[in-house]
Amino acid sequence: QSVLTQPPSVSGAPGQRVTISCTGSSSNIGAGYDVHWYQQLPGTAPKLLIYAYINRPSGVPDRFSGSKSGTSASLAITGLRAEDEADYYCQSYDSRLSGHVFGTGTKVTVL
Amino acid sequence: EVQLVQSGAEVKKPGESLTISCKGSGYSFTNYWINWVRQMPGKGLEWMGRIDPSDSYNNYSPSFQGHVTLSVDKSISTAYLQWSSLKASDTAIYYCARHPIAASDGDWFDPWGQGTPVTVSS
Repeated sequence: QSVLTQPPSVSGAPGQRVTISCTGSSSNIGAGYDVHWYQQLPGTAPKLLIYAYINRPSGVPDRFSGSKSGTSASLAITGLRAEDEADYYCQSYDSRLSGHVFGTGTKVTVL
Repeated sequence: EVQLVQSGAEVKKPGESLTISCKGSGYSFTNYWINWVRQMPGKGLEWMGRIDPSDSYNNYSPSFQGHVTLSVDKSISTAYLQWSSLKASDTAIYYCARHPIAASDGDWFDPWGQGTPVTVSS
């Protein structure tokens, strides 16, 4: 079972802003481990979207941004576009499990 | 170009054994962990475990310990995920992904392999 909790789904109209939360605990996010975000388009492998909370790899539009607050992290998508429809996952490290953990995943729907 | 290329789709019967592979190219293979991630049909991502190609040290998620085996052949830059006796519940897509061994270099997964679908059915 996932130790990082995300909302199952979020939706918005084109051009709007949506946010996805990733809630952890004192053994992962709260312990200071970084949070990374991945985008999985339908039928494809996940792709790195944001690393170490706030950094975008080359080629990722600046419409995507990340932040941290306490034992949570958030991903924001501004100027929502049809091609942003995908599943999004957060990932961190958990000291209690001695391994990496993923969030439960969030499906973004563009209305 | 940094790439992880995985072996092709597999269809197996319960009780059969299976090994799938993940070949790295375009980088120093022994400087990066190879992680394995399971995605069951319609479900989320689950971290299974990782292996250090330089010395084959590995650690597994408690959920997968004892059910799968990770190995590597650094001479051909290839990591393997192995089952000795498959179950129907092993039906999933399996991804490999790398991250640096040096902790100071971060632990995000990039890139990912294209995925290997495994179907286990009688």
